Amino acid sequence: GAVVSQHPSWVICKSGTSVKIECRSLDFQATTMFWYRQFPKQSLMLMATSNEGSKATYEQGVEKDKFLINHASLTLSTLTVTSAHPEDSSFYICSARPSRNEQFFGPGTRLTVL
Amino acid sequence: GEDVEQSLFLSVREGDSSVINCTYTDSSSTYLYWYKQEPGAGLQLLTYIFSNMDMKQDQRLTVLLNKKDKHLSLRIADTQTGDSAIYFCAETLGTALIFGKGTTLSVSS
Repeated sequence: GAVVSQHPSWVICKSGTSVKIECRSLDFQATTMFWYRQFPKQSLMLMATSNEGSKATYEQGVEKDKFLINHASLTLSTLTVTSAHPEDSSFYICSARPSRNEQFFGPGTRLTVL
Repeated sequence: GEDVEQSLFLSVREGDSSVINCTYTDSSSTYLYWYKQEPGAGLQLLTYIFSNMDMKQDQRLTVLLNKKDKHLSLRIADTQTGDSAIYFCAETLGTALIFGKGTTLSVSS
């Protein structure tokens, strides 16, 4: 299957700082990527849809000023958690679709905010 | 609502078959998916089924779809200890996916 990578895989930061997470499609181009959040022992919740060359579409309840998404190219989307707080600690996973019926996920980024 | 429902836990012995069930909500979902997540890792696409199919088989995996009841199941034949993981079913909502809470499969030897 297609490969989606994320960087970093694990990040620890102090409260109030910002953290950038990268999502890359390695062997295909993706005009659309998705960002999910997963709390321990829970399901994935869609946060936003990242669109190359245009603004991201955020799900209800997700603060767009806090979770900045930039889809700079057809293979890269970034999620920046601004002014992170301990409640933002979570597992962030991105995904991309190489075709209409397949969606592949990155390995995830574990964010811990102290 | 948009809840995808799954049983939370399943325990089987090595060599047995595992059946993980899922109930979805949107009858217009074009594709339904099964993903596997090992501890601390991302999601691995196992298989998917198009909504106009009843069954799909892929090696040890068999997916059954009952569209009338909005019920999806994943059968793993000859379950191995390496199959121990969390299994998520997902339905499509536009271009994104809506996931169930996941079923933890525990395989004992």
